[in-house]
Amino acid sequence: GAVVSQHPSRVICKSGTSVKIECRSLDFQATTMFWYRQFPKKSLMLMATSNEGSKATYEQGVEKDKFLINHASLTLSTLTVTSAHPEDSSFYICSAKGGSDTEAFFGQGTRLTVV
Amino acid sequence: GQNIDQPTEMTATEGAIVQINCTYQTSGFNGLFWYQQHAGEAPTFLSYNVLDGLEEKGRFSSFLSRSKGYSYLLLKELQMKDSASYLCAVADSNYQLIWGAGTKLIIKP
Repeated sequence: GAVVSQHPSRVICKSGTSVKIECRSLDFQATTMFWYRQFPKKSLMLMATSNEGSKATYEQGVEKDKFLINHASLTLSTLTVTSAHPEDSSFYICSAKGGSDTEAFFGQGTRLTVV
Repeated sequence: GQNIDQPTEMTATEGAIVQINCTYQTSGFNGLFWYQQHAGEAPTFLSYNVLDGLEEKGRFSSFLSRSKGYSYLLLKELQMKDSASYLCAVADSNYQLIWGAGTKLIIKP
């Protein structure tokens, strides 16, 4: 299957700082990327959907000014958690799909810990 | 509203067979996915069904009945490494994935 690389896999940051997470499709053009958040023992919660070259569509309850998503190219999307707080600590996962593909491929996930 | 239901947890014995059920109610249907997720890792794709019937892939099989809004994932010859969460997800009319809460499968020797 296609490869999606997410970086970093783990990050610890201080409260009040910003963290950027990258999601890259390595061998296909990702027209759509999805950003998820997962709490312990819970399923994936879709945060936003981003299409290359356009603004991300955020799910209800997700603060767009706090979780900045940029999908500037067909192979890269970034999620920036701004002014992070301990409650933002979570597992963040991206997935990407291209064109008419039905399957979305997942990145490895990023464990964010805000101290 | 949209809803995906699957059992929270199941236990099975190594070498046995287990069936994980998933029922769904969504606005439109463009296929049902099963993913495996080990703790602390991202989900990995197992199967995709868009037509009724059984899809077999090695030790794993997935079944779909669109009229019943029902799917199951069948795991045969269970191995300890199969201990994981299994997520059912449905692509709705906008091809957006609606996720179930996942079924934690515990395999005992």
